[in-house]
Order: sequence, then structure tokens, then C-alpha cells
Amino acid sequence: DQQVKQNSPSLSVQEGRISILNCDYTNSMFDYFLWYKKYPAEGPTFLISISSIKDKNEDGRFTVFLNKSAKHLSLHIVPSQPGDSAVYFCAARWAGNQFYFGTGTSLTVIP
Amino acid sequence: DAGVIQSPRHEVTEMGQEVTLRCKPISGHDYLFWYRQTMMRGLELLIYFNNNVPIDDSGMPEDRFSAKMPNASFSTLKIQPSEPRDSAVYFCASGKTILEAFFGQGTRLTVV
Repeated sequence: DQQVKQNSPSLSVQEGRISILNCDYTNSMFDYFLWYKKYPAEGPTFLISISSIKDKNEDGRFTVFLNKSAKHLSLHIVPSQPGDSAVYFCAARWAGNQFYFGTGTSLTVIP
Repeated sequence: DAGVIQSPRHEVTEMGQEVTLRCKPISGHDYLFWYRQTMMRGLELLIYFNNNVPIDDSGMPEDRFSAKMPNASFSTLKIQPSEPRDSAVYFCASGKTILEAFFGQGTRLTVV
């Protein structure tokens, strides 16, 4: 059973607009959440993370929001750039150091 | 540093054969992770090591899979015997902490 779900397999956004990637989880014991970006033929690259004690973490154009009551995580990219086109994975850590990943969302930023 | 190095990049093998995937982590990283990526299940953590010691192998799908880390600069993931459903991209990653891993380029395994 998927404990971390990314229900949108793909997303297209115009350059300069906001990209919002969503992630839902089922386990309230997750204590840390991460986002990875993956280009074709390359390994995933760590992007940004957030602890479960926070509800927002910002790093440049990337902001991650955590809504614990809804068990929902989102990644905002503002403004979106063509180089942001990639597959984005969200991941969650259970306190026992077990990691669970979503299936990924393919983002296409249209110039 | 050259980053995490995996070999081979591509592997095609027949069902029933033994497959060994190799990984050289980034020097100084205490954690090493093996992941598998498939279309159906996305990215899954199979096993990870801390200071060469396997910590959590609960993601290993079955006994046909085994991983070793004989020293800080080398790890292997072995599948014996291989099956078509093992076809996937296998990633190795390393990190100074458990939360932020640097990934290799992956090994694309095809079992026919």
C-alpha cells in the first residue's frame, strides 16, 4: 500500500508562473519530508526538506508547505523556469528511519 | 569528487542468472542507500548502510536480493537468481546524513 502518494503523474506550467506539486501521505508518524528532482538518465537530486514540526520551509524559488491535519505536502516553484522541467519525487521518513517515496510527478515548464 | 559511481550503467541478463550491481560512494559519506525505481511503484528504498553496517533492509523484496558493503568505498547489490520482474533502474546514493543523499546515475537492469 502506498504510504506516500503523488496523484498527478504530470503537470504543465507556463514559464514565469507558479508550479504546485502535491503529495499526500497516510502515516501520521512521519517526521521528515523531502523533495527530490530527477532529470532523465540521472539520479534524483535532493531539493528541499521540511521537519514535521514546521509548516513551511523556503529556499530561493522553492517553498515546501506541510499541512499535518490534512496529511498533505506541497512544493511551490515561483517563478517556474524551463530548467525546472523534471520528475519530482516527494519522500517521507518514519521515525524508525524507513523512507517512503511517491511515484513522482513530471513537470514540464513551457517557454 | 566524482560523485557516486555506479557500474554497469546498463545490464541485460537472462532469467535465472546472477546479477551484481556495484557502487562507489562519495568519500567521507557515512550512509549508503540502494534504491529501485519502477514505473508502477516509483522509487523504493531497498536497504541502507551506516558506517558499512546494514541498518534497515526491510525494503529488500525477497531473499534473492542481497547487499554488502565490505568497506567504506564499495558496495554491491546482488540478485540471484534474477527474474523479469526485477527489471528496473537501481540507484545507489550516499550521504553525510540519513536525510540528504547524493545519487548515482543508476543501473538500468533488464532481465529477459
